[in-house]
Amino acid sequence: DTGVSQDPRHKITKRGQNVTFRCDPISEHNRLYWYRQTLGQGPEFLTYFQNEAQLEKSRLLSDRFSAERPKGSFSTLEIQRTEQGDSAMYLCASGQSYEQYFGPGTRLTVT
Amino acid sequence: DQQVKQNSPSLSVQEGRISILNCDYTNSMFDYFLWYKKYPAEGPTFLISISSIKDKNEDGRFTVFLNKSAKHLSLHIVPSQPGDSAVYFCAAIPGSGNTGKLIFGQGTTLQVKP
Repeated sequence: DTGVSQDPRHKITKRGQNVTFRCDPISEHNRLYWYRQTLGQGPEFLTYFQNEAQLEKSRLLSDRFSAERPKGSFSTLEIQRTEQGDSAMYLCASGQSYEQYFGPGTRLTVT
Repeated sequence: DQQVKQNSPSLSVQEGRISILNCDYTNSMFDYFLWYKKYPAEGPTFLISISSIKDKNEDGRFTVFLNKSAKHLSLHIVPSQPGDSAVYFCAAIPGSGNTGKLIFGQGTTLQVKP
């Protein structure tokens, strides 16, 4: 197994544009998480999927953010009308119980 | 409010000596704790975990200690190696609900000098 993968690794976009990130979890993992990390801070929880069902969303996830996990496999995170404050590292993690295994992240820069 | 706190932003130790990284938490309902290591431009890597019903867990050079009465946990690395230089995060899982979301501290940067 190659672990959790994320695409793209880096994204530079202009304010107001939409962006979409993809996460491919470890295949047998039914839990999938998205986190956001800014400089000097630990990752912050955004949302959680159990198979294809989105069971929890953080209040950090404004209505400009949407996440999906069709068929309980890969997941996408879309940010509409990006703002400079959205610049961060977006991390995806998957797991089956307590331990979560992270992908390399997508670094988003909004100019 | 910061429910998981790592009050030391950085730590420097000599190769071969012990590294002790500390973490405090405020929520007594946390029932599982984890430590992650992060290198630049990579995602966090799981190191070791401990359930709230235990007070110690050991895996090779890494040992995690949990003191529930003090709401404190620590990670011991013995002996420290230059390759251990990274940012270390402690994380906790709330006992309420079963989503398993992690609540992270701010991280401690460990530098192991040769």
